[in-house]
Amino acid sequence: QQPVQSPQAVILREGEDAVINCSSSKALYSVHWYRQKHGEAPVFLMILLKGGEQKGHEKISASFNEKKQQSSLYLTASQLSYSGTYFCGTAHNNDMRFGAGTRLTVKP
Amino acid sequence: GAGVSQSPSNKVTEKGKDVELRCDPISGHTALYWYRQSLGQGLEFLIYFQGNSAPDKSGLPSDRFSAERTGGSVSTLTIQRTQQEDSAVYLCASSLIAFFGQGTRLTVV
Repeated sequence: QQPVQSPQAVILREGEDAVINCSSSKALYSVHWYRQKHGEAPVFLMILLKGGEQKGHEKISASFNEKKQQSSLYLTASQLSYSGTYFCGTAHNNDMRFGAGTRLTVKP
Repeated sequence: GAGVSQSPSNKVTEKGKDVELRCDPISGHTALYWYRQSLGQGLEFLIYFQGNSAPDKSGLPSDRFSAERTGGSVSTLTIQRTQQEDSAVYLCASSLIAFFGQGTRLTVV
């Protein structure tokens, strides 16, 4: 029931782009993305509620392919502040499970 | 309240003791979730409440773990006879958007 994230870790130089993928073996009703800084609680970034939906937050955007049961998070022109662990959450009837996370490190 | 509040923020307990962790969700949020995060690991689902009922308790690691929610508001997670492997940060989240509390860092010595 837990979604699968890839890659597990990414190291970028400031200004580079990255894509984080999230897939589920079950039909997805919604996909949530969060970022967690070290020692802090996860912070909500965005929610996608239907297939084909795309959203953006600063230079971070996401897409949701309902048929493929997957979502992708796109980070463009990465900034140092983007460093952290990104989690996708998938909800089935209010039961929300998270992927194992993708650790993103942005270096100067 | 303005956000999800968890208490205590830190708890050190001796092996074998019982502990109780509290979560006070955002007012009006009917859904409440408990997760456990070990150091450097992901978010392990424990249990969620819809109102006062918990449709899925399958995430609770053992029968030493229990949770309840009363009045559709505050929830408590109780760990009996704590073991060292219970050491982790316990996070509570409120509503389907999952606004997280700051967590309770539990250390069993």
